[in-house]
Amino acid sequence: GQSLEQPSEVTAVEGAIVQINCTYQTSGFYGLSWYQQHDGGAPTFLSYNGLDGLEETGRFSSFLSRSDSYGYLLLQELQMKDSASYFCAVLNTGNQFYFGTGTSLTVIP
Amino acid sequence: GAGVSQSPSNKVTEKGKDVELRCDPISGHTALYWYRQSLGQGLEFLIYFQGNSAPDKSGLPSDRFSAERTGGSVSTLTIQRTQQEDSAVYLCASSFSGANVLTFGAGSRLTVL
Repeated sequence: GQSLEQPSEVTAVEGAIVQINCTYQTSGFYGLSWYQQHDGGAPTFLSYNGLDGLEETGRFSSFLSRSDSYGYLLLQELQMKDSASYFCAVLNTGNQFYFGTGTSLTVIP
Repeated sequence: GAGVSQSPSNKVTEKGKDVELRCDPISGHTALYWYRQSLGQGLEFLIYFQGNSAPDKSGLPSDRFSAERTGGSVSTLTIQRTQQEDSAVYLCASSFSGANVLTFGAGSRLTVL
């Protein structure tokens, strides 16, 4: 089976940096993705890590350690619009995507 | 189409009735996924279609749930004899074969009274 763990809630100050961790257990691991979902909206793709290391896309970075079954999403220069839920998702070798329960990020002034 | 289209956007039904939810994926996307999201919860995998292969139905919660995909494009998720615990947002996503990016539709919000 699959299991993913991430914190349920995080609060951070506008302009600061926040890290959202994700640990996973799965068979046939292929890669780790991150999605953002605003209230009432659809999840949208942020990043994907297939190899160990850091991937950077603007203010967002994502990290993966396959040996530790661990990854994180790093958000820099936080803006109010970054307040949303963030989901990690594992992609397995069967092309199935399994999502975590999500982290609700609140950015405060 | 330009994006993943789902209909209806909202559905209110009475307990015991059957409902059908439709998903029209992005043109050319051969992979199609259905997820269920209960209020404030994560995305629960339901079913996965890839081209003409047999679907992966391992996530369907009961035999009241079924899905089909006609012509490798439009998919319909059917819930028979709906129960109150079926109330949730049903999300459809599609991708190119072997891609690592899912594009989601806006979802169908189902409320069972």
